[in-house]
Amino acid sequence: AQKITQTQPGMFVQEKEAVTLDCTYDTSDQSYGLFWYKQPSSGEMIFLIYQGSYDEQNATEGRYSLNFQKARKSANLVISASQLGDSAMYFCAMRERNFNKFYFGSGTKLNVKP
Amino acid sequence: DAGVIQSPRHEVTEMGQEVTLRCKPISGHNSLFWYRQTMMRGLELLIYFNNNVPIDDSGMPEDRFSAKMPNASFSTLKIQPSEPRDSAVYFCASSVRGGGTTGELFFGEGSRLTVL
Repeated sequence: AQKITQTQPGMFVQEKEAVTLDCTYDTSDQSYGLFWYKQPSSGEMIFLIYQGSYDEQNATEGRYSLNFQKARKSANLVISASQLGDSAMYFCAMRERNFNKFYFGSGTKLNVKP
Repeated sequence: DAGVIQSPRHEVTEMGQEVTLRCKPISGHNSLFWYRQTMMRGLELLIYFNNNVPIDDSGMPEDRFSAKMPNASFSTLKIQPSEPRDSAVYFCASSVRGGGTTGELFFGEGSRLTVL
């Protein structure tokens, strides 16, 4: 079974609007971490936001927030007030505490339209 | 602070040649990961080390691939002999395991390998 599932291969959003990128995960661990990374066309991987499995509050970092629904095993990334520079590939990832292994989803390519 | 440093950034070689990719993790990080990224297969974990010890190499595609971490500040990924299907971007990443940190991965800029 896939550990991380991103069901949206590509998405479009109008500049200045909000967008939600979906991510579901599969684990039997009680302790784990969820991460989102951005990969612009230049290729580098940029860490955006982290959510711990025991965190009760949704994580926020500037215009990024993580909509964490533990019972549904979902960790959607919300980008508010989209900017042209947000056009990139976005990866959801999970690290299970016991094995320290990072699992990545297949990514969502976001295009922000002017 | 210096990030994860990978070399070479670009490598073009001919089929059958040996390729060695190098990585210097961030000082103080105790976990190191090698990933391969292609359009077809996305990001694949090849191998990872904790405290210089290989923990899981189940992602290494074949015996042609090998990785070492002789000390905390250096790792290599070797392909011998290389094949055209090995063409990809190879990322090295490091993180801190434990210690109350979030433990996010810090990626290098990648090594783009083209095997002709």
